[in-house]
Amino acid sequence: AQTVTQSQPEMSVQEAETVTLSCTYDTSESNYYLFWYKQPPSRQMILVIRQEAYKQQNATENRFSVNFQKAAKSFSLKISDSQLGDTAMYFCAPKGSGNTPLVFGKGTRLSVIA
Amino acid sequence: GAVVSQHPSWVICKSGTSVKIECRSLDFQATTMFWYRQFPKQSLMLMATSNEGSKATYEQGVEKDKFLINHASLTLSTLTVTSAHPEDSSFYICSARPGTGNEKLFFGSGTQLSVL
Repeated sequence: AQTVTQSQPEMSVQEAETVTLSCTYDTSESNYYLFWYKQPPSRQMILVIRQEAYKQQNATENRFSVNFQKAAKSFSLKISDSQLGDTAMYFCAPKGSGNTPLVFGKGTRLSVIA
Repeated sequence: GAVVSQHPSWVICKSGTSVKIECRSLDFQATTMFWYRQFPKQSLMLMATSNEGSKATYEQGVEKDKFLINHASLTLSTLTVTSAHPEDSSFYICSARPGTGNEKLFFGSGTQLSVL
């Protein structure tokens, strides 16, 4: 079983600034993956970044990076040089290996302000 | 990239009628698809796991006789909301995994169901 906690229901950031979204999780899986998905007003789910739990190196994807602390079961997302298009709901989601589903946190609503 | 097509995008129906939502993987085969439901300003909640050629696995609290799932081929899963009621009004989203060695899930664009 997996649980996810996103403790920041809403956040805002000035355009071009940096913001960090927090996520903690719990899982009984020994082999698992962690994802951040973005859901803009269109409601299309868009993959932002993923991390293999067996890798120590933090994943990066252009302006997006994670701080993965396996022992603490923490998986935060850092968005650098925030852009207006980053305004969206952000969901943290762990996933076991194989044909297992994503388990979503409650989400953080991020607003980027011009 | 992997594309998941979901139709219709939105549907309005009368209470008591049934509605079918289709989820297709366009450029890959998906032995497993997942159906989620999202109420306004809430997260995605897993409803069921759809397995090709076998019965779906439903999450606790989801009525299998009300939400019929059929996964008859490797590229198509359908969700039928039977005898819909206003409380079934929600945003329904499907997702699929494009094969082994790839843990990413790709999502359809969702279906907004409004039951009058």
